[in-house]
This record gives sequence, structure tokens and C-alpha cells, in this order.
Amino acid sequence: GENVEQHPSTLSVQEGDSAVIKCTYSDSASNYFPWYKQELGKRPQLIIDIRSNVGEKKDQRIAVTLNKTAKHFSLHITETQPEDSAVYFCAASRPTGANNLFFGTGTRLTVIP
Amino acid sequence: EAQVTQNPRYLITVTGKKLTVTCSQNMNHEYMSWYRQDPGLGLRQIYYSMNVEVTDKGDVPEGYKVSRKEKRNFPLILESPSPNQTSLYFCASSTTGVGETQYFGPGTRLLVL
Repeated sequence: GENVEQHPSTLSVQEGDSAVIKCTYSDSASNYFPWYKQELGKRPQLIIDIRSNVGEKKDQRIAVTLNKTAKHFSLHITETQPEDSAVYFCAASRPTGANNLFFGTGTRLTVIP
Repeated sequence: EAQVTQNPRYLITVTGKKLTVTCSQNMNHEYMSWYRQDPGLGLRQIYYSMNVEVTDKGDVPEGYKVSRKEKRNFPLILESPSPNQTSLYFCASSTTGVGETQYFGPGTRLLVL
């Protein structure tokens, strides 16, 4: 099966600084990589995703990069704000026909005002 | 409003007492899935369903059952709960196919004594 590793497990940044979270995956056939944000006591919600035919995708302050050769992908948040504080999960999906996601273990991001 | 609902949201029970957590979606999604979330382990898939009467095991299916008799409903059944099933459970749904956004329910926090 697929194995997704995520680092760091906790990350603290000053408001306005950038935050980077990194994930690696084991199955070279994986072709879809979403990122979910989970605020305290809430459900995970998709914030950005990338497919294997694209190297980078950006949405305002959030960007994701993918290196297929190295089998790693990263989430970049610029100009962080206190409302960015949450747990972030990366995930990978293999082209098996089922939309099964394999999640990393999460990164707790704290943005210090 | 398009949504995934779960009931109950919180449940305290005792070892061996059968319970069912319901999940319902109103988006006409074919794909539904159950995850459990434990500290330091991220989200792990329990079971998934690609359509009515089609279910399959995820990564951690032991001790759980599911059924998919209607497209909108995907209940999770614990026939004989044990303390190691104490966890936060999420139901999710999407249209069929890899790369479709998964929408999560609000979660069910289960404590098995």
C-alpha cells in the first residue's frame, strides 16, 4: 500500500512569516495529492490539491509543489495569519479506480501574533 | 445545503455493546468512506464504498462493519466495541474517481469504557 510521511509534526511561526510542510510518499503510481486543513474541533477541509502532471499550483497565499522523481510534495503558506493556525494533513491517492486517500500524520501549525 | 451528516456526534458506551454511527450525504455521491483519527496517526481508512451494495476494506477494518443499501447512507457498525476503538470517526463522500474532492462529515467522538 501507500505510505505517506509528513514533517514536521509541529511548526510555530511568527505572523507574516512563511510556513512549509513536507510530505513524502512511497508508491510511484500515486497521482493525486490533496492538502486538508483541520481547525480545532472541526472536520478536515480541502485547501489545495495537485495532480501528478503538474509541478506547482498556487491559490493566493497557499502553494503546493510536487517532485515526482523524489516522491515528495510540499505545502507553502506565505504571509501567515493567526487564522492559519490548524492541523494540516497531506494525502496521496493511487490510480486504483477508488478515491482512497492515504493521509500523513499531520502538522500542527501555530501562527504567533 | 450540500452536506455530510453524522450521528451521534458524541457517544460513550461500554465494551461489547453494539452500536451504529450513521452517515448521510445529500450530494448524490457514489463514493463514501469511513476514517478514524487518532493522535499522531492521522486519518486511517476503515471501509469504503464505491456505490450501492459495493463495499471494501480500508487499512484498519478489524472490528467494524458497514453496509450501503442506499446511495445516501453509509452506516458504520461496531458489533462488539472495545476500548481500542475509542477514537474520532469521520465519514466522507465524493463523486467516483481518483482526484475528486472528499467532503467530510462533522465527526463522531466515541469513548468505549
